[in-house]
Amino acid sequence: DAGVTQSPTHLIKTRGQQVTLRCSPKSGHDTVSWYQQALGQGPQFIFQYYEEEERQRGNFPDRFSGHQFPNYSSELNVNALLLGDSALYLCASSLAGRQANYGYTFGSGTRLTVV
Amino acid sequence: AQRVTQPEKLLSVFKGAPVELKCNYSYSGSPELFWYVQYSRQRLQLLLRHISRESIKGFTADLNKGETSFHLKKPFAQEEDSAMYYCALAHGAGGFKTIFGAGTRLFVKA
Repeated sequence: DAGVTQSPTHLIKTRGQQVTLRCSPKSGHDTVSWYQQALGQGPQFIFQYYEEEERQRGNFPDRFSGHQFPNYSSELNVNALLLGDSALYLCASSLAGRQANYGYTFGSGTRLTVV
Repeated sequence: AQRVTQPEKLLSVFKGAPVELKCNYSYSGSPELFWYVQYSRQRLQLLLRHISRESIKGFTADLNKGETSFHLKKPFAQEEDSAMYYCALAHGAGGFKTIFGAGTRLFVKA
């Protein structure tokens, strides 16, 4: 089991561009959560997907959107990139109803640099 | 608003000394609390969860609802404990949203 896989590992984009990050959850997990981690900060919750719907959302603008596919994999899309969007983006998977018992399994992240 | 506070960015102790990483939370309901750890060049991983009242790698954490704290403790630190530690709070009906503190870097000196 490869655990949570994220792609790409690194990405450089220009201000104003759009980016798509991808995540495959751990086998057996059905819920995907996305986090933004700026340098020196803890992970900040963006949103969570379950049954192909956004179930919870953090304080992020509408430029941040996502999708979950029938196989539970997920994408994070960011439009109109700003310099401040430069960060490590983490994907975390879990089993619905079991987060209290088992927490999250994290991917290694995608490092996004906006220039 | 829900919040997790880790007051120390850096904690440095000698090998064999006791360790306490502080975590305070703000939440009006009954939270689920966790500690996550990130060792050098590794991904973030779950260390322990309050619901199981377990001890992992010698670490324990007790939920104190009166003080709204969930401090992580180990009686004798080891060099391999050097890592970044994050306290996290999960809440929400219909789907858990987990928020993280800013993290504490633990450095265990030989």
